[in-house]
Amino acid sequence: IAGITQAPTSQILAAGRRMTLRCTQDMRHNAMYWYRQDLGLGLRLIHYSNTAGTTGKGEVPDGYSVSRANTDDFPLTLASAVPSQTSVYFCASRTSPDTGELFFGEGSRLTVL
Amino acid sequence: GQNIDQPTEMTATEGAIVQINCTYQTSGFNGLFWYQQHAGEAPTFLSYNVLDGLEEKGRFSSFLSRSKGYSYLLLKELQMKDSASYLCAVQDSNYQLIWGAGTKLIIKP
Repeated sequence: IAGITQAPTSQILAAGRRMTLRCTQDMRHNAMYWYRQDLGLGLRLIHYSNTAGTTGKGEVPDGYSVSRANTDDFPLTLASAVPSQTSVYFCASRTSPDTGELFFGEGSRLTVL
Repeated sequence: GQNIDQPTEMTATEGAIVQINCTYQTSGFNGLFWYQQHAGEAPTFLSYNVLDGLEEKGRFSSFLSRSKGYSYLLLKELQMKDSASYLCAVQDSNYQLIWGAGTKLIIKP
């Protein structure tokens, strides 16, 4: 069982480019989340999905979009990357929106030049 | 506003005991989580407290006082592999997790 898989592991891209970070889980979890982690700051929620077909905005949603077409996949898209989006991005999931601990993917390190 | 405070960095000796504190002010409370994160890796779950008191799990224990907005993670018999960041997170009234910046724990031989 893989748990949560994120891709790519690391990426460097030019400002203005479009980028999609992929996240897939095989635990049949209903709730999924995207966080960014920056030095000296706690994990900050970008977007979340309580169940397939629904999404919501977190603390720092600007410049990002998500979709949840099915239970397993929760991609994060940067429409036009900017240097301030340089960060480590973690996808996470849990059984339901109000129960249990979060399980995290291994992270995607993104550098925008 | 919502705020989670924990020390930025702590140093301890192998074999000793260390206590990492976390204080919080959030809109509602539905439990507090502790996670461990080794450098360059994903956070992994350590403990969850929703009622006051101490929860013990092997070498790790976690304590909660809701009236004081306070929790601590206690690590006993420290090992070199315990060198990591420890993240405190409070689940708010909307069941979203609010995260502290983490405490980097350095273990010295």
